[in-house]
Amino acid sequence: QKEVEQNSGPLSVPEGAIASLNCTYSDRGSQSFFWYRQYSGKSPELIMSIYSNGDKEDGRFTAQLNKASQYVSLLIRDSQPSDSATYLCAVNSAGGTSYGKLTFGQGTILTVHP
Amino acid sequence: EAGVTQSPTHLIKTRGQQATLRCSPISGHTSVYWYQQALGLGLQFLLWYDEGEERNRGNFPPRFSGRQFPNYSSELNVNALELEDSALYLCASSPSSGGIQYFGAGTRLSVL
Repeated sequence: QKEVEQNSGPLSVPEGAIASLNCTYSDRGSQSFFWYRQYSGKSPELIMSIYSNGDKEDGRFTAQLNKASQYVSLLIRDSQPSDSATYLCAVNSAGGTSYGKLTFGQGTILTVHP
Repeated sequence: EAGVTQSPTHLIKTRGQQATLRCSPISGHTSVYWYQQALGLGLQFLLWYDEGEERNRGNFPPRFSGRQFPNYSSELNVNALELEDSALYLCASSPSSGGIQYFGAGTRLSVL
């Protein structure tokens, strides 16, 4: 089982729709959760961070965390063509050999078509 | 405020050579992280430096090494380059241990 798994893409949504990206993780000791956006040929850009159960909203983006289910998601409302990118879920564990490092999922490619 | 800067942008080496990649963190950040993003393999953690010390290391052979300088900048050295070392090498920094990581633009290493 992979440490961090994301729903397989690519995901294609029409402009103005809601895009839903999902991620599960295996380490119950994980404490910090992040969504990064990566445009082709560019470096990852932080979109959202979430640390406690529930929802966190920032503009058109909402991150949801459920530690009991080991699940984190990202919703993008009113999707725009400029949102087309690879979305990376990243998890940071508290200690042991995982201390400090981010473990990334494979990424989900999102395409928003006009 | 300047972000994480990496140099060079591109680096071309031949198999068996050594490569040195450099990273300057965001001002005030003490932790520097190195990741490898190879085609089809996703982002893999390489090394973490904080306050000049190596704090954690990913599952990479010893020919991947690095250091952090007193000004918190860092360099990654890859010895005895192999073809599969071709990848985008990303540096990130955070203001404290385990803090949010911000990435630089990366160095694309090509091994011929």
